[in-house]
Amino acid sequence: AQTVTQSQPEMSVQEAETVTLSCTYDTSESDYYLFWYKQPPSRQMILVIRQEAYKQQNATENRFSVNFQKAAKSFSLKISDSQLGDAAMYFCAYRSYTSAGNQFYFGTGTSLTVIP
Amino acid sequence: DTGVSQDPRHKITKRGQNVTFRCDPISEHNRLYWYRQTLGQGPEFLTYFQNEAQLEKSRLLSDRFSAERPKGSFSTLEIQRTEQGDSAMYLCASSLVMSSGANVLTFGAGSRLTVL
Repeated sequence: AQTVTQSQPEMSVQEAETVTLSCTYDTSESDYYLFWYKQPPSRQMILVIRQEAYKQQNATENRFSVNFQKAAKSFSLKISDSQLGDAAMYFCAYRSYTSAGNQFYFGTGTSLTVIP
Repeated sequence: DTGVSQDPRHKITKRGQNVTFRCDPISEHNRLYWYRQTLGQGPEFLTYFQNEAQLEKSRLLSDRFSAERPKGSFSTLEIQRTEQGDSAMYLCASSLVMSSGANVLTFGAGSRLTVL
């Protein structure tokens, strides 16, 4: 089974600054999807950004961007101009492309604190 | 459509009792997933449905767990003879699987189970 590792249990960032959350994964597949999900306290998980492994260009969604390094099996999330509303648990997730998307594998999460 | 709905949001039960959770997915979504999340961990896959067919079950889903999705609409997750180790957040997610293979999960707010 694929594994997703988030080595930073907690991170903090000053408001308006930039922070990078790390994620690595282990797979033998060549085609897959990667995701970052955000889970605010006591609220549901929402999709932040996704990346298709066959695309070389890094995905970007407003203040959120990823650094996808396929050879290194690394998928980090950069949050620019951090806002108080960015405080949440962030989960990195992997899904196989070839198996038509059954299981999503999640990391253990990184708790992000935004300091005013 | 108000998204993925889960009921109840919180359930406290005594060990040995049965509990049932309900999930109402986004109406046009054809796939429905159940995940379990314990404190400090990422979501762990339990099972998923494509329309009304249950296509995959995790080893985490012991014989005490059963999930159904009659008519391919809402789903129920029943836990029989609950144990303290069943205490967790049970997350439901739905998605629309397209011919391109794109499959993005939309999560509900979860049902928190506490077994005393």
